[in-house]
Amino acid sequence: EVQLVESGGGVVQPGGSLRLSCAASGFTFEDYAMHWVRQAPGKGLEWVSLISGDGGGTFYGDSMKGRFTISRDNRKDSLYLQMNSLRPEDTALYYCVRGGVVITTTFGHWGQGALVSVSS
Amino acid sequence: ALTQSPATLSLSPGERAVLSCRASQSVGGSLAWFQQRPGQAPRLLIFDTSNRATGIPARFSGSGSGTDFTLTISSLEPEDFAIYYCQQCNEWPPGFTFGPGTKVDL
Repeated sequence: EVQLVESGGGVVQPGGSLRLSCAASGFTFEDYAMHWVRQAPGKGLEWVSLISGDGGGTFYGDSMKGRFTISRDNRKDSLYLQMNSLRPEDTALYYCVRGGVVITTTFGHWGQGALVSVSS
Repeated sequence: ALTQSPATLSLSPGERAVLSCRASQSVGGSLAWFQQRPGQAPRLLIFDTSNRATGIPARFSGSGSGTDFTLTISSLEPEDFAIYYCQQCNEWPPGFTFGPGTKVDL
């Protein structure tokens, strides 16, 4: 069974940094592209970032470029999101999501999310 | 960009639900649909316009092409009252966009 468990969420001041982690199990992690998708309270879904299975390709949503960095450790079956220069509008539930073997494949499996709150 | 209509659909169990998703430009066949129940993570229902994901009941079906797509729920079950999002992906560079959602309300 595919399992994705996020951790690292919390409260941070504007301008601060936070690192999210996602522990994956139940599948061959290195074979799959992985994503972060976020959802602000009471709002819709917003794609944050994508990383290819070998980690060689990374892509970001426009409002995240230059502030967020996605990475993975295939030896540890783990996905990460380093978030810097955080803004109040980054407050959201951040989901770790499994993509596909092809990086443009849609979002097949979702974690339960890690809550990030940016507030002074 | 993706738009969804209606924003809210008020129906009763057993009724048919038809949800619309329109793209600002052709998305080929790479359109997906997700269901999100209150307090839960989204769940993939349909991928590549018309393919049901594993474990999704046959009452869910997707259709469309180009810029106009439809999710149909043939007979609503109580657990189907939720928010539904459509989603598409640009080929290159990869970028993923969600529609604003349609709430199917009791």
